[in-house]
Amino acid sequence: TQLLEQSPQFLSIQEGENLTVYCNSSSVFSSLQWYRQEPGEGPVLLVTVVTGGEVKKLKRLTFQFGDARKDSSLHITAAQPGDTGLYLCAGHFSAGNMLTFGGGTRLMVKP
Amino acid sequence: GAGVSQSPRYKVAKRGQDVALRCDPISGHVSLFWYQQALGQGPEFLTYFQNEAQLDKSGLPSDRFFAERPEGSVSTLKIQRTQQEDSAVYLCASSLAQGMYNEQFFGPGTRLTVL
Repeated sequence: TQLLEQSPQFLSIQEGENLTVYCNSSSVFSSLQWYRQEPGEGPVLLVTVVTGGEVKKLKRLTFQFGDARKDSSLHITAAQPGDTGLYLCAGHFSAGNMLTFGGGTRLMVKP
Repeated sequence: GAGVSQSPRYKVAKRGQDVALRCDPISGHVSLFWYQQALGQGPEFLTYFQNEAQLDKSGLPSDRFFAERPEGSVSTLKIQRTQQEDSAVYLCASSLAQGMYNEQFFGPGTRLTVL
């Protein structure tokens, strides 16, 4: 059972468009991470957010952590075909080490 | 290589067969994790080691699944009497130390197909 809900599950857009992916839970995260996974590879960490209300930017990617630390969003500006992949949010719900992943958002950016 | 490696990359097994999946973590990494990723889903936690100690195996779906890390480095995930529902990608990850602020580095996974 996934405790993290991601939306949308699939997203197909044209190059240059903007998009936002959402990650929600009914529980509070101790920390939340966003990963990108390409076919045949393991997830690769993009960012970790810890503080409620935190905003982090990574080039064209903006990550936001909700004030209550129950939700997060990933916004991509001017998407490029190289952004195509599976985007996963993952959280720590306690001081434990294991990650709980969302179901993922599969993004396709068409040239 | 400097990253986490897994072998085999692909495994096809007949239902009822036993399989063993290997993970070579990054040298010096204390923590090691196994995750199962079904097709079209996010990874789900299976088990966690700190050095050779298996500290959490709450995610193992049945007693057919067994993991070990006898010398605190290489780990093996064994699945006995495989079933079709075991078909998935099995991901291994390692991190330098314990604690949620330590980045987990993932291997490429082993894709298991049970016929």
